[in-house]
Amino acid sequence: DADVTQTPRNRITKTGKRIMLECSQTKGHDRMYWYRQDPGLGLRLIYYSFDVKDINKGEISDGYSVSRQAQAKFSLSLESAIPNQTALYFCATSGRDYQETQYFGPGTRLLVL
Amino acid sequence: AQKITQTQPGMFVQEKEAVTLDCTYDTSDQSYGLFWYKQPSSGEMIFLIYQGSYDEQNATEGRYSLNFQKARKSANLVISASQLGDSAMYFCAMGANYGGATNKLIFGTGTLLAVQP
Repeated sequence: DADVTQTPRNRITKTGKRIMLECSQTKGHDRMYWYRQDPGLGLRLIYYSFDVKDINKGEISDGYSVSRQAQAKFSLSLESAIPNQTALYFCATSGRDYQETQYFGPGTRLLVL
Repeated sequence: AQKITQTQPGMFVQEKEAVTLDCTYDTSDQSYGLFWYKQPSSGEMIFLIYQGSYDEQNATEGRYSLNFQKARKSANLVISASQLGDSAMYFCAMGANYGGATNKLIFGTGTLLAVQP
């Protein structure tokens, strides 16, 4: 079984709809992250959480919210989806040190029409 | 501000040859980590190799090695004996001290590698 899982893997939604992307990990890591990937822009950090009670905005948090339900679960919500949120979304986890490798989930492809 | 630059949008390499993917970085931190990830067409992000800023020796992992030149702020990935399965997008990333908190990755824009038979 994969250490970091994301659901759904693919999602199509309409402008204005609220959607939630979910991430679960079995690596026992404290830290979890949400990134989005757009063509030509690499990955950009949306939100990160260093433990259940610590949630922080990343580079591009506007239009998104997150919930850390447990150490192993970190959800990303789009309150009112818009077309420019069409992207590939990745969840990642890591240990506590800056040198710790981040391990990524398989990604969720989101299309907002 | 921290930044990662990958100047090669795409590259070709012949099977069994070595290839170097360039990465330069900018940071004012003394302690940082540099990572390379591979993204095949299926989309997942696969960790390849890590180099710490205080590591004196270049990191190696199988056919992957990282040519770390701290004074030049470069962290190039070298893939030896390229295989067809190496065709993918490659991202350089830095574990940065961002807003007082560490361990958030900043990514470059990636290099698309195509291995030719």
